[in-house]
Amino acid sequence: EIVLTQSPGTLSLSPGERATLYCRAGQSVRSNYLAWYQQKPGQAPRLLIYDATSRATGIPDRFSASWSGTDFSLTISRLEPEDFAVYYCQQSGWSPTFGQGTRLEIK
Amino acid sequence: QVTLKESGPALVRPTQTLTLTCTVSVVSLRNAQMRVNWVRQPPGKALEWLAMIDWDGDKFYNTSLKTRLSISEDPSENQVDLTMTNMEAADTATYYCARGGGNYGFLLDSWGQGMLVTVSP
Repeated sequence: EIVLTQSPGTLSLSPGERATLYCRAGQSVRSNYLAWYQQKPGQAPRLLIYDATSRATGIPDRFSASWSGTDFSLTISRLEPEDFAVYYCQQSGWSPTFGQGTRLEIK
Repeated sequence: QVTLKESGPALVRPTQTLTLTCTVSVVSLRNAQMRVNWVRQPPGKALEWLAMIDWDGDKFYNTSLKTRLSISEDPSENQVDLTMTNMEAADTATYYCARGGGNYGFLLDSWGQGMLVTVSP
């Protein structure tokens, strides 16, 4: 199975700042089937990004993502109060796996 | 807009078998070409994919848990069941069902609200 390692574990920032979260795959992710999810306390995860760089329906354009080789990143250009949550990456190809999550908290 | 909802017991005893049901609000799982996944999340921990069934009845399992899991569908009720045998405390988690998209069906684009299952004597 593909192991996904997210960093940092916790990111402390203020509203209006830029956030960049990382996800490193232990091996190549086929066809860049890498997704990002946002999860707020007491809620189910919500799909943000799929196929490494495509925003899901209804996701604001302050969310963007990129990749290089086995390194993937999610960027939130200007943090809104509702963006503080836990973020998970997932390889959505064969035998799916999730990263351990990054907690984005208010500084 | 597809909605999914989990149901089942909130408490199971160690060694018991857990059966959870996901009810999907579509006219027909097969006509909608639905793929339904199960994912769990222990309290304060990360997500773990468990299993998926597609509209043709093909089934896919987490290799680490494969011997304990079984996924099945009841097309007449638009329901998908997940059975997990020999439950233990480490299986305490919120269990989610989610619609699968993407080429393989493991891209989770709509989720149920989740159901907390506690394993305790």
